[in-house]
Amino acid sequence: NAGVTQTPKFQVLKTGQSMTLQCAQDMNHNSMYWYRQDPGMGLRLIYYSASEGTTDKGEVPNGYNVSRLNKREFSLRLESAAPSQTSVYFCASIRNGYQPQHFGDGTRLSIL
Amino acid sequence: DQQVKQNSPSLSVQEGRISILNCDYTNSMFDYFLWYKKYPAEGPTFLISISSIKDKNEDGRFTVFLNKSAKHLSLHIVPSQPGDSAVYFCAASETSYGKLTFGQGTILTVHP
Repeated sequence: NAGVTQTPKFQVLKTGQSMTLQCAQDMNHNSMYWYRQDPGMGLRLIYYSASEGTTDKGEVPNGYNVSRLNKREFSLRLESAAPSQTSVYFCASIRNGYQPQHFGDGTRLSIL
Repeated sequence: DQQVKQNSPSLSVQEGRISILNCDYTNSMFDYFLWYKKYPAEGPTFLISISSIKDKNEDGRFTVFLNKSAKHLSLHIVPSQPGDSAVYFCAASETSYGKLTFGQGTILTVHP
């Protein structure tokens, strides 16, 4: 039972490069989320998809785009990476509201 | 504006004793609260939750208390075990889309 799978686990980029972080869940969940975690801070919501075909901005959306490819997959794209986007990125999913979110193990991204 | 705050960055307790982790929030529209546990290099794992219609929820060694008038929740772990050593995040939700707002986290260390 894989749950939420994120790829890659680690990545180093140069400033200005682009990159897509992949997330897939096998729990038939409706809603999916992207968060970033920075030192000394909690997780902050970047974008979310309440259901297949919809996406909405979260707290820190600038510099990112997302695609809800199908019910299983939700990708996060950095079009022109900046050092401020160095972070650990987590994907999460839930079946519907007021249930605990299930998280992947994260993608550790460094931008030089 | 930090809507969810964990004011203690760290907590150290002896094995067998009680661990009490605290969390304050400012948004009175939050109606669902969760605690997550996180080990290094892993994603957050759901621990326990409480809805705003309750003031207490228990699950084994873990109890969450909610004081709505004070906008405060706490997590009690009794008895504490060395395996409980991790970062604990509180989170809150106000919408049916399951968007979570996280606190900064508290590092719990349980000494044998």
